Amino acid sequence: GNSVTQMEGPVTLSEEAFLTINCTYTATGYPSLFWYVQYPGEGLQLLLKATKADDKGSNKGFEATYRKETTSFHLEKGSVQVSDSAVYFCALTPSGTYKYIFGTGTRLKVLA
Amino acid sequence: NAGVMQNPRHLVRRRGQEARLRCSPMKGHSHVYWYRQLPEEGLKFMVYLQKENIIDESGMPKERFSAEFPKEGPSILRIQQVVRGDSAAYFCASSPEVRASDTEAFFGQGTRLTVV
Repeated sequence: GNSVTQMEGPVTLSEEAFLTINCTYTATGYPSLFWYVQYPGEGLQLLLKATKADDKGSNKGFEATYRKETTSFHLEKGSVQVSDSAVYFCALTPSGTYKYIFGTGTRLKVLA
Repeated sequence: NAGVMQNPRHLVRRRGQEARLRCSPMKGHSHVYWYRQLPEEGLKFMVYLQKENIIDESGMPKERFSAEFPKEGPSILRIQQVVRGDSAAYFCASSPEVRASDTEAFFGQGTRLTVV
């Protein structure tokens, strides 16, 4: 079946540190891959996405590359800020469907 | 353009009571999806509705849960005779057309239901 596994949190970093949040998936066919972010008190917002192998999604300094050979979509940022503190969700949608399959979320806390 | 609006943000119910969760989609959106996030789990699909139609309720528990999206007004997720295991965050999302796999749906802030 389809599933998403992401690293457990919380992840605590100092400001300007490098961030990696691991995400691996299991899916048939060619799913689309997403990272969503939930800031405190807000809804889920799309951070970035990639819809085919080797695509790189990027937004607000965050990047993730669709790696079909390793079934991964790791989220990276070179220098985090306190304002990046949030919960990050990795998700996929199998081709031809409308349902998201979400990971459990990773809480990131960035300290000044 | 207001986003997806859910209310209430927090809801506390005693066991056996009914819970009603409301979702107003983004303006121009006629497709609504409900997801549930149980503690320590990811969001899981519950139901997909269009105006006046339930399209896919494959993720809905068979008993006590129902959903509607009337011609006028918000979509409602109703949980009858709530139990402690219903405590979760319930998220609503909307899209202008049926969501293609490579496009996004827009999420609300969620309703956090606590059953005491």
